Amino acid sequence: DQQVKQNSPSLSVQEGRISILNCDYTNSMFDYFLWYKKYPAEGPTFLISISSIKDKNEDGRFTVFLNKSAKHLSLHIVPSQPGDSAVYFCAATPVSARQLTFGSGTQLTVLP
Amino acid sequence: EPEVTQTPSHQVTQMGQEVILRCVPISNHLYFYWYRQILGQKVEFLVSFYNNEISEKSEIFDDQFSVERPDGSNFTLKIRSTKLEDSAMYFCASSERVGGSSTDTQYFGPGTRLTVL
Repeated sequence: DQQVKQNSPSLSVQEGRISILNCDYTNSMFDYFLWYKKYPAEGPTFLISISSIKDKNEDGRFTVFLNKSAKHLSLHIVPSQPGDSAVYFCAATPVSARQLTFGSGTQLTVLP
Repeated sequence: EPEVTQTPSHQVTQMGQEVILRCVPISNHLYFYWYRQILGQKVEFLVSFYNNEISEKSEIFDDQFSVERPDGSNFTLKIRSTKLEDSAMYFCASSERVGGSSTDTQYFGPGTRLTVL
């Protein structure tokens, strides 16, 4: 089951630079997308979401972009901070449903 | 800030034993969920629960699993006869409602690590 894919298992960036995490999906029924951050031995922490009626949503240093025609979304973190180092999961769901389908995650490391 | 809590943080059990994992969702939330993550794999949906009944369940959620809201605050996942392959992190989540707005965001607890020996 590869309905949500995060093709980069890891990403390293310098502190202060932009981090771009990518996610692709195949299920055209998905129309609500979320990014979660996860530290070891903790549950996923909600970061930001976007519905399919938008192509961009910002919250502070975090911006999510959605390209529906390409079935692609990305999370931009600017500027990146060492505390952002964590695993980032993309998740998707149809509006009418209640189950999130997760990607495999990307380990972000922000180097001081 | 309100948060989802889960107990215990780690549960060790023998194969074939019953376990109950407990969760306290955020107080004004109406929808409750269980997910699991086997080591090295994706987070997977198990079940959603609303108005005292199951809304959706995945094919993982077979007859050995059950959920219950025994009182106004707790939400439990019971595994009747545990198997080695049930070893995983189990996450509870809750959301205010569903419908594609910010109030539908699912907030996760810290998880219970279940180890089946």
